[in-house]
This record gives sequence, structure tokens and C-alpha cells, in this order.
Amino acid sequence: QQQVKQSPQSLIVQKGGISIINCAYENTAFDYFPWYQQFPGKGPALLIAIRPDVSEKKEGRFTISFNKSAKQFSLHIMDSQPGDSATYFCAAISGGSNYKLTFGKGTLLTVNP
Amino acid sequence: DAGVIQSPRHEVTEMGQEVTLRCKPISGHNSLFWYRQTMMRGLELLIYFNNNVPIDDSGMPEDRFSAKMPNASFSTLKIQPSEPRDSAVYFCASRIQGTSTDTQYFGPGTRLTVL
Repeated sequence: QQQVKQSPQSLIVQKGGISIINCAYENTAFDYFPWYQQFPGKGPALLIAIRPDVSEKKEGRFTISFNKSAKQFSLHIMDSQPGDSATYFCAAISGGSNYKLTFGKGTLLTVNP
Repeated sequence: DAGVIQSPRHEVTEMGQEVTLRCKPISGHNSLFWYRQTMMRGLELLIYFNNNVPIDDSGMPEDRFSAKMPNASFSTLKIQPSEPRDSAVYFCASRIQGTSTDTQYFGPGTRLTVL
């Protein structure tokens, strides 16, 4: 049972363009939503995260938009650069005594120069 | 500060052999996670420990897989006997057990190939 659905599977964007990756979740017990960035040969690293009581969070060129009623959230990369080429994973965390982090399947982003 | 350390970085073995993957979490972190990454299934949580105690091993595929954490600075994931379908990248991650916002930090992974 896939609890976090991520799309698209792959994305090609021109330098300077906007990259958008979408995720949807089912479990309303999730209370934190991080995005991880993974370069080839490396482990995933936290990029940006949002709590469900906030509709948007921006850090530099990276923005998370969150729609609690629709149970959807998305990552927007503004002014995409070739160095942003990586695999991006959305995730959802349920905390407390039953902590669990569930990943989406990932999106391979290629930014062409 | 050193991050999460995993060894070996690459392992090639033959079907039926025992494989042991090792992880050293970040000092001071008291939660440790083992993940498996494949193209088909993405990142899957295998097992995690809090304060060296296994909390959730529901992701361990079968009895061939076992994990231990004998102390706060070391964990192993063992596969015995290994099979070709176990070929994957295995990641270890650690965090400070606390609220949902406490980040997991991943190691560089061990790429396992079972021939």
C-alpha cells in the first residue's frame, strides 16, 4: 500500500524554468512533510519541509505548497539550474510514539543547460 | 562533524553467501534506520531502532534479513543467505528521537550486488 504518491516519475526542464513535483497522501496522521534531494552515489539529504498548519514555505528558490483539505503538497523549484539535477523524494512523517517516515517513489529531475 | 558512516561502500558477492553491512550513526543520535533502495520499489524502510532497541521491523523482507544494534554507535544488517533479488543500495540513517521535525541524516549507502 503506497501511502505517498509522487508524480511525475521524471521531469526535464530547461535552465531558468520552473520545476514542479507533486505528492498526495492518504493518512491524516501524517504531521510533517519533508522533501529530500538525492544526487547519484549519495544518500538523500533534507531539502525543505513543511508542517500541515502552513500553506506555503519558501527557502531560496525552493517552495513547498501544501493543501491540507486535498491532502496534496508540491515542490516548486524556481529558476532551475543544471546543478539541481537530482532525484527528489517527497515524504510524510507520523510522529509520536509510532514515528514513521514514508517516502514517495521519487522524481528524476534533469535541468538542461 | 562526521556524518553517518557506512561500510563497505560496495559489496559484490555470490548467491548463498552471507553479507554484513555496517553503520555508525552520528554521535548523539539515538534513532537508527535501515533502508533499501531499488529502481522498482524506491526507498523502503526495513527496520528502525530507538536507543538500541528495535521498534519496527515490519519492513524486513524475510527471515534471511536480520539487524542488530549492540550499542549506540554501531549497527549491522545481515543477509544470510543472499539472493540476486537482494541487490540494491542499502542506506543507514540516524536522528535524535524527538518530534516529527527532527531530521533523519542519511549515510552514503552500500551498493550490494548479489551474483
